[in-house]
Amino acid sequence: DQQVKQNSPSLSVQEGRISILNCDYTNSMFDYFLWYKKYPAEGPTFLISISSIKDKNEDGRFTVFLNKSAKHLSLHIVPSQPGDSAVYFCAARRYGNKLVFGAGTILRVKS
Amino acid sequence: EAGVTQSPTHLIKTRGQQATLRCSPISGHTSVYWYQQALGLGLQFLLWYDEGEERNRGNFPPRFSGRQFPNYSSELNVNALELEDSALYLCASTLPERGGPDTQYFGPGTRLTVL
Repeated sequence: DQQVKQNSPSLSVQEGRISILNCDYTNSMFDYFLWYKKYPAEGPTFLISISSIKDKNEDGRFTVFLNKSAKHLSLHIVPSQPGDSAVYFCAARRYGNKLVFGAGTILRVKS
Repeated sequence: EAGVTQSPTHLIKTRGQQATLRCSPISGHTSVYWYQQALGLGLQFLLWYDEGEERNRGNFPPRFSGRQFPNYSSELNVNALELEDSALYLCASTLPERGGPDTQYFGPGTRLTVL
C-alpha cells in the first residue's frame, strides 16, 4: 500500500535553474509532510516540512508547496547547485503513526 | 548537540550468523526508528520504539528484532543472516509531539555486508 508516491525516479537540471520534485499521497489524514535529502552511504538529512493546514513553506532556496485537493506536494529548489545532487525523499505523517516515505527521486544538477 | 550515532560503521558477517547494530538517539528524544536501505531501493521501515515499547513493525521476518533501553538507545538484531540482508541500516530519532511534524533525525548508518 503505497500511500506516498514519487513517480519520477530521476530528474536532471542545469545549475542555476529551478528543480521541482513532486510527491503524491493518498491518505487524507496525513497532517505533516517532510522532505529529506540523502547522499550515498549517508543518513538522510531533514530539509523542510509543511503542515497540512498550510499551502507553502519556504526556507532559503527550498520551498514546499502543498495542494490538498490534489493530494500533491512539490519541493522547489532555486537556484539549483551541484551540491544539491542527491536522492530526495518525500515523507508524510499522521499523528501517532510512523512516518511514511516515498521511493525517492534522484536529482542531478549539471554544472 | 550530538546527533544520532550508530555503531559499528561497517559490519561484515557470513550467512547464518547474527548481527547486532546499535543506535544512540539525540539527547531528549524518546523514539527510535530503524530502516533498511538495500542498494538502489528506498527506505524500508523496520521497527519503531518509543519509551521502551515497540510501537510498530514493518514487513520483515521475525529474525529482525530489536529493543530500546531505559536511556532510549536501541539495538537491532538480525539472526540467521541471509545474503539479501546486505544493506545500509539507518536509525532515526525523534521526540513525538502533538502539533509538530515529529521530524526524524537520522544517523550515518551501519553498512552490513553478508558474505
